[in-house]
Amino acid sequence: ETGVTQSPTHLIKTRGQQVTLRCSSQSGHNTVSWYQQALGQGPQFIFQYYREEENGRGNFPPRFSGLQFPNYSSELNVNALELDDSALYLCASSLSVSTSTRETQYFGPGTRLLVL
Amino acid sequence: AQRVTQPEKLLSVFKGAPVELKCNYSYSGSPELFWYVQYSRQRLQLLLRHISRESIKGFTADLNKGETSFHLKKPFAQEEDSAMYYCALGSGGYQKVTFGTGTKLQVIP
Repeated sequence: ETGVTQSPTHLIKTRGQQVTLRCSSQSGHNTVSWYQQALGQGPQFIFQYYREEENGRGNFPPRFSGLQFPNYSSELNVNALELDDSALYLCASSLSVSTSTRETQYFGPGTRLLVL
Repeated sequence: AQRVTQPEKLLSVFKGAPVELKCNYSYSGSPELFWYVQYSRQRLQLLLRHISRESIKGFTADLNKGETSFHLKKPFAQEEDSAMYYCALGSGGYQKVTFGTGTKLQVIP
């Protein structure tokens, strides 16, 4: 098993609330990506952080934001929750920012968020 | 825009039969293709990538740029191959990976 961990495992929030999801990357991995996986869909790229800076973003609104810390942990924050935000949120860490290298993304187990 | 299409939601095959999981992509640049697998109660993990040209657990995949396809194949299915398989496309610059909707492979004993 990989060293990527996520907390909490499950979370229930109501519409309009804010949520923070946490990820602890594999040791030494300076790149973390976050994905949203709705039921029956593949993971959808939210954004990537490299050395504590956002390095790329998918088609998600600004109310999705993140932070990466020097200790290889990171957060995904979602403000003004909507019902459609209900999904599994995955983080993935890697040694490289680029998919062109042979470095692999290692995924965490995910946090399942339910917005009521 | 990047897009990955996996036309089959479910593929059922008998043990020992050949397997082909289809994947087509749309991308204007030079594509990097991956197959990820998720076994029951396990996390998503990389199975193989086209740049490695390797066979993992008996699976192979060939990038066909003319047909924009990256189908996953295995000559003889085994029960332990039952899992969810995702085809994914990387853009190279950073680890933005576009995933397909996945195909559930069910190997019937």
